[in-house]
Amino acid sequence: VQLQESGPGLVKPSQTLSLICSVSGGSITSSGYYWSWIRQHPGKGLEWIGNIYYTGRTSYNPSLKSRVSISVDTAKDQFSLKLSSVTAADTAVYYCARDRTLGDIPYGMDVWGQGTTVTVSS
Amino acid sequence: DIVMTQSPLSLPVTPGEPASISCRSSQSLLHSNGNNYLDWYLQKPGQSPQFLIYLGSHRALGVPDRFSGSGSGTDFTLKISRVEAEDVGIYYCMQALQTPITFGQGTRLEIK
Repeated sequence: VQLQESGPGLVKPSQTLSLICSVSGGSITSSGYYWSWIRQHPGKGLEWIGNIYYTGRTSYNPSLKSRVSISVDTAKDQFSLKLSSVTAADTAVYYCARDRTLGDIPYGMDVWGQGTTVTVSS
Repeated sequence: DIVMTQSPLSLPVTPGEPASISCRSSQSLLHSNGNNYLDWYLQKPGQSPQFLIYLGSHRALGVPDRFSGSGSGTDFTLKISRVEAEDVGIYYCMQALQTPITFGQGTRLEIK
């Protein structure tokens, strides 16, 4: 399985950041996998944004919950991230990842995309 | 949120020598099912993170056996028995016990 992020590299302040993660080599509807978004601010550590199951069930980081939405398109084997009202603080590398979970036991984020850099600037 | 604290933040190591990274959580990561919900990841320079260890001590597929994870509750350790040049990068621990999932601040391993 491979993951590939895509979307605009530049977003204006107050606008909505939109990214897509395309899944290849496997199906997004495979049971036991959540699909996550993680970001990394320049020179900083990793921040979990949220995840989604193929059924549409989502979980978000409360620090971003009011601005974030993750959705899934099972027909296209894609999942998406929308982050509204962005500011310069949202400038980061955004990663998508596959999060293996079986019987509610987390078995780790075993596949990551290469990441995409998003800059928020006018 | 569960706060993850790693030490040291920087770790210079001579090739062939062992290395050890500590990770402490602000709450116990031991689930009632007996598993510790703690993972380790390595971010090599210019790359996305890669999966090393899950549930505290289980190596991910393809991870060399020189990597080992141990610990329980709030104290965890990642050990590299003999460091190789390809092991350079930033190591992160991550808790998966509760959302939001949180990461340690990272430990940068460099070769002396």
